[in-house]
Amino acid sequence: AQSVTQLDSHVSVSEGTPVLLRCNYSSSYSPSLFWYVQHPNKGLQLLLKYTSAATLVKGINGFEAEFKKSETSFHLTKPSAHMSDAAEYFCVVSVGGNKLVFGAGTILRVKS
Amino acid sequence: GAVVSQHPSWVICKSGTSVKIECRSLDFQATTMFWYRQFPKQSLMLMATSNEGSKATYEQGVEKDKFLINHASLTLSTLTVTSAHPEDSSFYICSARDYSDRAKETQYFGPGTRLLVL
Repeated sequence: AQSVTQLDSHVSVSEGTPVLLRCNYSSSYSPSLFWYVQHPNKGLQLLLKYTSAATLVKGINGFEAEFKKSETSFHLTKPSAHMSDAAEYFCVVSVGGNKLVFGAGTILRVKS
Repeated sequence: GAVVSQHPSWVICKSGTSVKIECRSLDFQATTMFWYRQFPKQSLMLMATSNEGSKATYEQGVEKDKFLINHASLTLSTLTVTSAHPEDSSFYICSARDYSDRAKETQYFGPGTRLLVL
């Protein structure tokens, strides 16, 4: 069965430093993968998605993720963190029939 | 971009009462909507898939008689929590797929409804 594992429940970075949120997936075929962000008291927002096109996917707000089949990874990165990036991030895999399976989430804290 | 709304955003009710939550796609049509539940400090769990004009498909372990779903139009799905109990207190989130955007698999999420059952 398809699943995703977010390797860190919490990540803390200083403003202006790089962000790395790690995600590994498990899938028997080429998956569709997504990263969503959830700010407090707000709905989930799609950051980016991979659907078997380019392996390096660029998203909104300067985020990007690279699909690495050999490592079954889809890590989310950003070169320079901003205070407004503080939120919870979910790595998500599509399991067919339009169903999404969410990872446990990673809370990103940005220190000034 | 595509917008999904939910109403109410907050609801507090007494144990044993029923609560209806609405999910609307505001600027697109959605033949398929999804209902998720998120407990504190946990991830989203899919409860059911709501299909316009037909019965919802429930995930394993979700009681269909307790969580009634109606998807009567291309822009509205409702989730009714019947005879709510304190353990039903949670954050309920809906999402919708754009009917005209089927190839892209993108789901647009509502802001969620926080339910507290006393």
